[in-house]
Amino acid sequence: SQQGEEDPQALSIQEGENATMNCSYKTSINNLQWYRQNSGRGLVHLILIRSNEREKHSGRLRVTLDTSKKSSSLLITASRAADTASYFCATVTGAQKLVFGQGTRLTINP
Amino acid sequence: GAGVSQSPSNKVTEKGKDVELRCDPISGHTALYWYRQSLGQGLEFLIYFQGNSAPDKSGLPSDRFSAERTGGSVSTLTIQRTQQEDSAVYLCASSLEDRPSTDTQYFGPGTRLTVL
Repeated sequence: SQQGEEDPQALSIQEGENATMNCSYKTSINNLQWYRQNSGRGLVHLILIRSNEREKHSGRLRVTLDTSKKSSSLLITASRAADTASYFCATVTGAQKLVFGQGTRLTINP
Repeated sequence: GAGVSQSPSNKVTEKGKDVELRCDPISGHTALYWYRQSLGQGLEFLIYFQGNSAPDKSGLPSDRFSAERTGGSVSTLTIQRTQQEDSAVYLCASSLEDRPSTDTQYFGPGTRLTVL
């Protein structure tokens, strides 16, 4: 079963613009992670935010977490063609398994 | 260093046959996970191994699915009597240790299974 829902399901923007993706989840979490997937194969870990953190940065990535609203957002600034991929949020609860959202398909147009 | 590797990268089989998928985790990682990604179900957890503890099999969809981890390293996921709905990409991940607040799971490239 899916824990998270992502919004939007698909996003298409021009190169250089910022992209924002949102993730909502249902139960309390230990941490929330964002992954990128190219061509439907391996997942690449982008960033992990703990339940007691509110914002985290990594390069052009900014992640926020609002545990009161059970939601997170991923912002990619100054997008590039290479950012075209599917992006998934995943939560870790008491168990160690990742529970994934459905993903956002991001397309960066040159 | 080497990442998580999986073999084969692609597997086509006939309905009713058994298949074995292999995962080599990152050296030194004590936790190993199997996930499945299919069109209808998205990414879903299958099974998790941590050290010598009994595996968490709560995500296995049926008793046709089993997995083992030998010597705390390599893992094999076995699907018996494959069905067409088993067609999916099977992803393996490993993490250094069992700390849910900080652990990062590193994923392999996956095995694409097609059941005809």
